[in-house]
Amino acid sequence: AAGVIQSPRHLIKEKRETATLKCYPIPRHDTVYWYQQGPGQDPQFLISFYEKMQSDKGSIPDRFSAQQFSDYHSELNMSSLELGDSALYFCASSREGGVEQYFGPGTRLTVT
Amino acid sequence: QKEVEQDPGPLSVPEGAIVSLNCTYSNSAFQYFMWYRQYSRKGPELLMYTYSSGNKEDGRFTAQVDKSSKYISLFIRDSQPSDSATYLCAMSDGRTGGSYIPTFGRGTSLIVHP
Repeated sequence: AAGVIQSPRHLIKEKRETATLKCYPIPRHDTVYWYQQGPGQDPQFLISFYEKMQSDKGSIPDRFSAQQFSDYHSELNMSSLELGDSALYFCASSREGGVEQYFGPGTRLTVT
Repeated sequence: QKEVEQDPGPLSVPEGAIVSLNCTYSNSAFQYFMWYRQYSRKGPELLMYTYSSGNKEDGRFTAQVDKSSKYISLFIRDSQPSDSATYLCAMSDGRTGGSYIPTFGRGTSLIVHP
């Protein structure tokens, strides 16, 4: 079965640079979520989109922005990167904002 | 204090043992209770979820919710080495904007040794 696809899988950036993470949800899923997971930490919800509109907002820094496109894929844009942004970034998708979220493999971002 | 508390472990058990994983929470508005399994360097995988109180069984896994005590459990019967992973509980108070946003526990690391 098709799963959530994230790219890139690994990303190394320097402080103050920008990064763009991409997420392709499971086919026919219309809701996308972004999470940040630091080492040994639980996933922290950043932001979600339902039918291409922002639906919920969590602890997303102002330096980050995201959007969902017409084909339902989503991109997380991160600017002025800081060392503390180093983490695993997960995308998840669901149908109609349902409880069952399916997570992608994550993008490991390292800021040096 | 975090809304969802979970002992990080590690919990080490022999193969075939019954495993009990637990979480406590403080937000009485939580209605949906989920358990995720996360292997190292992988994304969380939803094992099962329950709505409100009660039990739910799926194969070797049983989830229990006691809302009066704000306590949830996941039992794994006949544990296997392949069950070795981090287990995260998560909870939601229902649909907020357009979706259910879970609050996660920090996860319990389980090691099942042959």
